[in-house]
Amino acid sequence: GIQVEQSPPDLILQEGANSTLRCNFSDSVNNLQWFHQNPWGQLINLFYIPSGTKQNGRLSATTVATERYSLLYISSSQTTDSGVYFCAPAGGDSSYKLIFGSGTRLLVRP
Amino acid sequence: DTAVSQTPKYLVTQMGNDKSIKCEQNLGHDTMYWYKQDSKKFLKIMFSYNNKELIINETVPNRFSPKSPDKAHLNLHINSLELGDSAVYFCASSRREGGTDTQYFGPGTRLTVL
Repeated sequence: GIQVEQSPPDLILQEGANSTLRCNFSDSVNNLQWFHQNPWGQLINLFYIPSGTKQNGRLSATTVATERYSLLYISSSQTTDSGVYFCAPAGGDSSYKLIFGSGTRLLVRP
Repeated sequence: DTAVSQTPKYLVTQMGNDKSIKCEQNLGHDTMYWYKQDSKKFLKIMFSYNNKELIINETVPNRFSPKSPDKAHLNLHINSLELGDSAVYFCASSRREGGTDTQYFGPGTRLTVL
């Protein structure tokens, strides 16, 4: 199955800073989603992005499927951005079977 | 107007007991999932149903049995609970037919086995 590697594992930012989270995957994908798990445990879908670039407010994501990586950009970070960010690709015959990476734990300090 | 809901939110029980977790979605989705998140935050899919048909059945002990009475509901029954079953269980749903499979998660059920 697909192997997923996220980096960095931990990230501490000062409020207002920008950051880039990376997700490498080992095989071709036809589905890739980014999620944010807030400190209360709720999982929020940020992007469905098997290829290309999308933006939603201060967040944007880019997936380069041919090179097997995806990036999540957070600009002007806020304390509410704290939590764990998961990348979850899927591929082959199982485009609905997301494989979650181990996550990037982000702490934004005021 | 909760999109994906789960009950109960917390479940504390003794080893050997049988328990159920219920999930309901009001998004009109055709596919539902159960995930397990362990103490290290690792998330792994357990089961998935599409239009009431089981389509994903990962390597899960047969003490775990999902049941989908209709497209809007997916329940998880666990027999003979063990200490290692302690985790947070998430239900999710998506639209596969004519959709992008964007998955929406419920709030989770924290199961503690004593």
